[in-house]
Amino acid sequence: SAVISQKPSRDICQRGTSLTIQCQVDSQVTMMFWYRQQPGQSLTLIATANQGSEATYESGFVIDKFPISRPNLTFSTLTVSNMSPEDSSIYLCSVGQHYEQYFGPGTRLTVT
Amino acid sequence: RKEVEQDPGPFNVPEGATVAFNCTYSNSASQSFFWYRQDCRKEPKLLMSVYSSGNEDGRFTAQLNRASQYISLLIRDSKLSDSATYLCVVNDGSSYKLIFGSGTRLLVRP
Repeated sequence: SAVISQKPSRDICQRGTSLTIQCQVDSQVTMMFWYRQQPGQSLTLIATANQGSEATYESGFVIDKFPISRPNLTFSTLTVSNMSPEDSSIYLCSVGQHYEQYFGPGTRLTVT
Repeated sequence: RKEVEQDPGPFNVPEGATVAFNCTYSNSASQSFFWYRQDCRKEPKLLMSVYSSGNEDGRFTAQLNRASQYISLLIRDSKLSDSATYLCVVNDGSSYKLIFGSGTRLLVRP
C-alpha cells in the first residue's frame, strides 16, 4: 500500500486563526479523502479531494470552512478556517485503492 | 438508526481466548466491507476485507451475512498485542465513500 505522510503531526492554535494540513503520498493515487475524528468518536468523512476540480463535500461540511486543494495525484491540503474549540480533532487523509482506503498518521489539532 | 452499529465494549479477555465482534449495517446496497484496527492515538489500519464467502487471515476470520446485513470478526488465541479498537466499515453502496462504525474496544489481559 502507499506510504502517506501528513504535516504537521500536531498543532495548538488560537481561535479565529486557520491551519493548513498537508498530505503527501509516495505514489500517484486517484482517490484522496479527508476525515475528522473528534475525541472519543469514530471517523467522519469531510470531503473527497478531486484532482483538477473542486472537492466534493459531505453534508455538514462547507468549502468556506474546510477549503481543500488537490494540485496533483500525490498531494492535497485541507485548511481549517476561522477555528473554534469545536474544531479540536484529529484530521486524517486517506487514499483509495480499489474500494480499500489507507490512512495517513493524522494531524492532532487543539484550538484554544 | 446508525448506518453501522457496533457494540462499543470493552471486551476484556485473557490471553489465548477466542473473541467475536459483530456489526450490523443499514444500507442493503453496500458492496464492500472491512474491518480496521485502530490503536490508541494512531490512525486506522486495514485489518481485512470481508467477502461474501468469508475469509481467514491467520488467527482472524471475517464473515458476511448479506441477508441479515451482519458482519462478524473472530479472533482466536488472543494476544496482548490484539488490544485495540476494531472498526466495522462499509461502503455506501453508490460510491467509494466509507461509513465507519463507532468501534469495539478489545482489552487482552495477561
